[in-house]
Amino acid sequence: GQQVMQIPQYQHVQEGEDFTTYCNSSTTLSNIQWYKQRPGGHPVFLIQLVKSGEVKKQKRLTFQFGEAKKNSSLHITATQTTDVGTYFCAGPLDGQNFVFGPGTRLSVLP
Amino acid sequence: EADIYQTPRYLVIGTGKKITLECSQTMGHDKMYWYQQDPGMELHLIHYSYGVNSTEKGDLSSESTVSRIRTEHFPLTLESARPSHTSQYLCASSDPWTGNDEQYFGPGTRLTVT
Repeated sequence: GQQVMQIPQYQHVQEGEDFTTYCNSSTTLSNIQWYKQRPGGHPVFLIQLVKSGEVKKQKRLTFQFGEAKKNSSLHITATQTTDVGTYFCAGPLDGQNFVFGPGTRLSVLP
Repeated sequence: EADIYQTPRYLVIGTGKKITLECSQTMGHDKMYWYQQDPGMELHLIHYSYGVNSTEKGDLSSESTVSRIRTEHFPLTLESARPSHTSQYLCASSDPWTGNDEQYFGPGTRLTVT
């Protein structure tokens, strides 16, 4: 069936190091969304990418949508302890509904 | 900050009890969702609604039911709670007409069935 996959499942980094999580879809996506969930919290929308090859930046976060619109990445430069949480990608695979990937859990060691 | 609310935030109940988890949003969003999420794990869509009088089942088989009598209200009911229902339940809403269908999540209800 249609799936959204993410790697890695977990990532532990030292504060100041960079971090990247990758999202892959089994089918071409019209768009892709990214969410962040802090420990004990709820998912919060970060961004939506629509165009092939699109790159968007939010301060230290860089989001990219692949040319084939089947993959995406989130890169954080110089991680901080406030970046701790689980990052989910979501794509509209199931008709009109977004299917969430399993998430990448980021730990940042001070 | 999104205006979407869930009550109760925490609930511990015994097996076999009937419970209703409340979800309300004041943004006038047509689309609403219920997700089940175990701690640190992925979100599973269990129900969604396109608007008043619309309810659909999601990807995850669930023994719960939902109703959508008013735009702002989307309660989820478990007729007979079981320990396997222990999880976090997240409600969300979105306005698909804006073009980005961003989902706004409530704070969640952590349910424990003993």
